[in-house]
Amino acid sequence: GAVVSQHPSWVICKSGTSVKIECRSLDFQATTMFWYRQFPKQSLMLMATSNEGSKATYEQGVEKDKFLINHASLTLSTLTVTSAHPEDSSFYICSARRGLAINEQFFGPGTRLTVL
Amino acid sequence: SQQGEEDPQALSIQEGENATMNCSYKTSINNLQWYRQNSGRGLVHLILIRSNEREKHSGRLRVTLDTSKKSSSLLITASRAADTASYFCATAVFSSGNTPLVFGKGTRLSVIA
Repeated sequence: GAVVSQHPSWVICKSGTSVKIECRSLDFQATTMFWYRQFPKQSLMLMATSNEGSKATYEQGVEKDKFLINHASLTLSTLTVTSAHPEDSSFYICSARRGLAINEQFFGPGTRLTVL
Repeated sequence: SQQGEEDPQALSIQEGENATMNCSYKTSINNLQWYRQNSGRGLVHLILIRSNEREKHSGRLRVTLDTSKKSSSLLITASRAADTASYFCATAVFSSGNTPLVFGKGTRLSVIA
């Protein structure tokens, strides 16, 4: 199967600190990874598209300086929430695409971020 | 950006009844997928239907797709309490090599035992 992991699964941090979330494709190489954010009782909103070795493409309204994305290898993408504030508290989900087939996209289990 | 709009937003039924959820989308698509999400958990892929397909079955799930109306429906037959979850449709619009899934707003299904 195609497994995507996220670490940590949950994190609580103080306002003003930075938090790094890792997304790993465990048994396949992912040239493209996507980051989504989900607020309580809402849907998943695409934040950015991350390609290995290049800069991420951010969706309109997502601050690239606040949500730093690094896709340094074919199996790892990281999302760093810088200077976190309580309004950044959310569920962050990554997905990784295997190959070029559109339906070959696999989701991580999500990371619950709570900023106090 | 969100493409899909599900209705109803919330649905409550008795165990054993059928549950029908609808999804509408705006642009031409390559395929449409349905996912389930238990509260606070990750996504579980349920079924994918391609743009050239009209109906697909998987166990107790039946999905239809009407590209002329830009809509899809998910039917869960003989529902169980364990089916209680949020259900999302997601569409893939083929553009350049990067094709994210765009999710609808979701339907929160409650199955009462």
